[in-house]
Amino acid sequence: NAGVTQTPKFQVLKTGQSMTLQCAQDMNHNSMYWYRQDPGMGLRLIYYSASEGTTDKGEVPNGYNVSRLNKREFSLRLESAAPSQTSVYFCASSEGYGGDYGYTFGSGTRLTVV
Amino acid sequence: GQQLNQSPQSMFIQEGEDVSMNCTSSSIFNTWLWYKQDPGEGPVLLIALYKAGELTSNGRLTAQFGITRKDSFLNISASIPSDVGIYFCAGHRTDSWGKLQFGAGTQVVVTP
Repeated sequence: NAGVTQTPKFQVLKTGQSMTLQCAQDMNHNSMYWYRQDPGMGLRLIYYSASEGTTDKGEVPNGYNVSRLNKREFSLRLESAAPSQTSVYFCASSEGYGGDYGYTFGSGTRLTVV
Repeated sequence: GQQLNQSPQSMFIQEGEDVSMNCTSSSIFNTWLWYKQDPGEGPVLLIALYKAGELTSNGRLTAQFGITRKDSFLNISASIPSDVGIYFCAGHRTDSWGKLQFGAGTQVVVTP
């Protein structure tokens, strides 16, 4: 019954520090996504992975890198955190063609960069 | 990128009232989806719409896929306290490969 699991749930970083946000899904979904949510701006796509072994940039990729480790796991890395990256980060997965079936979201990682 | 305009931005309503919100775009979408986000959680899919003019219900929720394919509407009837949250519309175009475009959300607050 896990769905999409994100770790950690909360994180505070100092400017310039690096960290990796982890995401794993147990639904055998092919596609996975990373979004950030900022007040009044909805959800913006950072990176996505259509299938294992592929990754592509979304709307706001600068400052981030991703790794599709296997079919289950899709991680997001901040190499040198900046205050502008303070946000809530959501991982999502979808069965096949995600747009038609919708996404299943994790519960989010709340990141503060000071 | 494409813009989804969702309104209203927020709503303060009394328990028992009906709620309406909508989403418009300058582009045509092939699929419209509505999500709800509870505080501290990720969005959860409520309703998916696949055809222009389609009207779909899920309990007290009713959503419609606009005839022009550029808009969608969500209605909540007889609101209850657990309807509190942020409601997001999302649209998908076949040529955008699986990537959803989200509206900014409608914050719903229900008072007893």
